[in-house]
Amino acid sequence: KAGVTQTPRYLIKTRGQQVTLSCSPISGHRSVSWYQQTPGQGLQFLFEYFSETQRNKGNFPGRFSGRQFSNSRSEMNVSTLELGDSALYLCASSWDNFYEQYFGPGTRLTVT
Amino acid sequence: AQKITQTQPGMFVQEKEAVTLDCTYDTSDQSYGLFWYKQPSSGEMIFLIYQGSYDEQNATEGRYSLNFQKARKSANLVISASQLGDSAMYFCAMREGRGNNNDMRFGAGTRLTVKP
Repeated sequence: KAGVTQTPRYLIKTRGQQVTLSCSPISGHRSVSWYQQTPGQGLQFLFEYFSETQRNKGNFPGRFSGRQFSNSRSEMNVSTLELGDSALYLCASSWDNFYEQYFGPGTRLTVT
Repeated sequence: AQKITQTQPGMFVQEKEAVTLDCTYDTSDQSYGLFWYKQPSSGEMIFLIYQGSYDEQNATEGRYSLNFQKARKSANLVISASQLGDSAMYFCAMREGRGNNNDMRFGAGTRLTVKP
């Protein structure tokens, strides 16, 4: 069974731009979560989608948004990028939100 | 409020020896799940082991076992017979209940280095 895939793997953007990251979950998984990982803040939860609905949301500004499609694939968007948005963005999928999550390889975003 | 605490920023262990990585958690829920993940330098998070709050037996997966002490709210990971490939960051995580507002919370992690 294929694992969680994320595209792109690496991205360099400049301040003020916007970016869209994509995540394809493991087949059959309906829950997709997004995390931001930085050396200073560690792993921080962004949001979770389940059957196309946002079910949980972390403490991030409105510049961070996401969505999930009917095939469970998910995208997250960051608008008006700031230098502090430079991070590894991890996507994880699971059957439902009480089970273990399986992570993708991440997208490393650098904002200059 | 910090829900997951990993007090060991770094640990060293000799190859083939066992090592225990500490994790304590804070919750008032009766139903919750505890997880351990490994993150090698490549960045990908690898699921290792799961323990449910109602599980009476400690979880085991190969060389990994979870020492679950519910009254003390601790969920330590034990790695037996350490291998060089075990060198990585290890994260303890928890999910409370089901449904909404139960996002997975992670600890700060422990960097394990296995010495040859």
